[in-house]
Amino acid sequence: TQLLEQSPQFLSIQEGENLTVYCNSSSVFSSLQWYRQEPGEGPVLLVTVVTGGEVKKLKRLTFQFGDARKDSSLHITAAQPGDTGLYLCAGVWDSGYSTLTFGKGTMLLVSP
Amino acid sequence: KAGVTQTPRYLIKTRGQQVTLSCSPISGHRSVSWYQQTPGQGLQFLFEYFSETQRNKGNFPGRFSGRQFSNSRSEMNVSTLELGDSALYLCASKLTGSSYEQYFGPGTRLTVT
Repeated sequence: TQLLEQSPQFLSIQEGENLTVYCNSSSVFSSLQWYRQEPGEGPVLLVTVVTGGEVKKLKRLTFQFGDARKDSSLHITAAQPGDTGLYLCAGVWDSGYSTLTFGKGTMLLVSP
Repeated sequence: KAGVTQTPRYLIKTRGQQVTLSCSPISGHRSVSWYQQTPGQGLQFLFEYFSETQRNKGNFPGRFSGRQFSNSRSEMNVSTLELGDSALYLCASKLTGSSYEQYFGPGTRLTVT
């Protein structure tokens, strides 16, 4: 069974602080995605990374895919209360028709 | 373009009953996947349908089943409900079976009493 570990599980910070959350596996990903989920809603896709070493930016969010494609990080600069939510990473280990396996998520709370 | 829709949004059932949940994918998307989300286990894959055929199945008992119609709409059924089936059931669609990105609906919150 392929596992995807996310850390930390919970993060509570003040508005304006920076933070990084991590997603790790012992297996090589074919692709990896990050989602944000708000209470009572489905996850919303933020980014997909497929190339080792790839860095993508989405406003104040920076996503990095490890060179060996076994890990990824999400860095948020100057967090805002609107960033509050559950951040999920999800990986595909084989190309083609394989399914997404999700980590258990990092719950982020940004206080004003 | 309308997103993924799921009905109903909330459902309360009694142990032993059965339930059917519905999912309408984004227009043009042919792959639909179902997930169960609980606080303890997180998001777990149930099954995926593509062109009316089940292509992948997660590690869930046979009480969980699904199907897909020719218009790509999908239903999942849970028979003989157990208390542990209480969860948020999420449906996600993607363009093809090999597409990377999938888009989730808002989910159906099922409570079994």
